[in-house]
Amino acid sequence: DAGITQSPRHKVTETGTPVTLRCHQTENHRYMYWYRQDPGHGLRLIHYSYGVKDTDKGEVSDGYSVSRSKTEDFLLTLESATSSQTSVYFCAISRGGESNQPQHFGDGTRLSIL
Amino acid sequence: AQKITQTQPGMFVQEKEAVTLDCTYDTSDPSYGLFWYKQPSSGEMIFLIYQGSYDQQNATEGRYSLNFQKARKSANLVISASQLGDSAMYFCAMREVRSGTASKLTFGTGTRLQVTL
Repeated sequence: DAGITQSPRHKVTETGTPVTLRCHQTENHRYMYWYRQDPGHGLRLIHYSYGVKDTDKGEVSDGYSVSRSKTEDFLLTLESATSSQTSVYFCAISRGGESNQPQHFGDGTRLSIL
Repeated sequence: AQKITQTQPGMFVQEKEAVTLDCTYDTSDPSYGLFWYKQPSSGEMIFLIYQGSYDQQNATEGRYSLNFQKARKSANLVISASQLGDSAMYFCAMREVRSGTASKLTFGTGTRLQVTL
């Protein structure tokens, strides 16, 4: 198993509250990604990082921010959670950015915004 | 336009039979990678198999093989000798090369496979 830990694994919170999800890796991989999974949409990229303090937006980045101060940690923040952000969130890592590099996923965080 | 299309929302296959899960893709990038992932009911995403756009041969990994038809832009997953444990959601994904940034993974909407006795 790729050494990826997501925390928390489950969270229920209220609309308007800030939420931070953490992804921790022990593989020393350069690239890290945050996806959300919703029925009928597959997985969609929120943000990604290609190094410490180097991040960029994915296709569904509105309402989310990220930070990466250390190689091993990639944080996803919902500044003011909305019900539309109820989803399962996956972190992924890859050794490189080349097209032949698979991404390996954490076990996911189930987030419910009431 | 959809970059990855999986037209089969659900499939059934009998145990020990082979099954093909369809995937078509759209890209103008000459260099790309195609991946299949399995998501069992427990929720984790498991990498199964990879095919590169320049690979001359179809990829194989144990009971999994990828039927890659570049001209048709299709990358179908073939599972031979299906087992009950193969029941899961299967996602096709593509990774394109974009200079200067990490190449990102684009997913299809998935096919739910149910293996029956």
